[in-house]
Amino acid sequence: QSALTQPRSVSGSPGQSVTISCTGTSSDVGAYNYVSWYQQHPGEAPKLMIYDVSKRPSGVPDRFSGSKSGNTASLTISGLQAEDEADYYCCSYAGSYTEVFGTGTKVTVL
Amino acid sequence: QVQLVESGGGVVQTGGSLRLSCAASGFTFSSYGMHWVRQAPGKGLEWVAFIRHDGSNKYYADSVKGRFTISRDTSKNTLYLQMNSLGPEDTAVYYCAKAAAAGTYYFDYWGQGTLVTVSS
Repeated sequence: QSALTQPRSVSGSPGQSVTISCTGTSSDVGAYNYVSWYQQHPGEAPKLMIYDVSKRPSGVPDRFSGSKSGNTASLTISGLQAEDEADYYCCSYAGSYTEVFGTGTKVTVL
Repeated sequence: QVQLVESGGGVVQTGGSLRLSCAASGFTFSSYGMHWVRQAPGKGLEWVAFIRHDGSNKYYADSVKGRFTISRDTSKNTLYLQMNSLGPEDTAVYYCAKAAAAGTYYFDYWGQGTLVTVSS
């Protein structure tokens, strides 16, 4: 149950796009199409942004998108906005009803 | 609307025990699996445990297996986490989170968390 690997930080100017990678193994990210992404602002609980690799819950802007290739999943934020500045965590199903989170990425809007 | 409210956090000495509660409302509690997730100060999220909707099966992270027990009381719409043999590494904010539905593997609602501090 090792944490998935994410870059520590990414940044972009308003309106630009940023992509966060999430690298796991053939036992988690590579094995299942059950990757989810969570946004967390300081002092708040995480919020679901993407589930099942690329599905967006109701109310999440369509500038958030997800994808997966092999053992690496990605979250892309297009048209970056000031309110997108937050920590982002990926999460993958790892079998036997267990989950594993990523190390987390801080997104900074310049 | 879905609400999850954790309680029971506090300061406990190394080797001690604590029981966390998560009061659920706004949905049919008995129909959904529930998770506990924790976050050490300044660190990332760590999945802790999952219990199926009917309490029939429970699953744990290796880091807490044998020390923590997840349970639920449908009559009280409450989820629990019994934590024994606590160590400083267990210091964290503990969140309860709702599974979206049977056969899904993500968390659609989260509580605000309760802080557990284990002092040596």
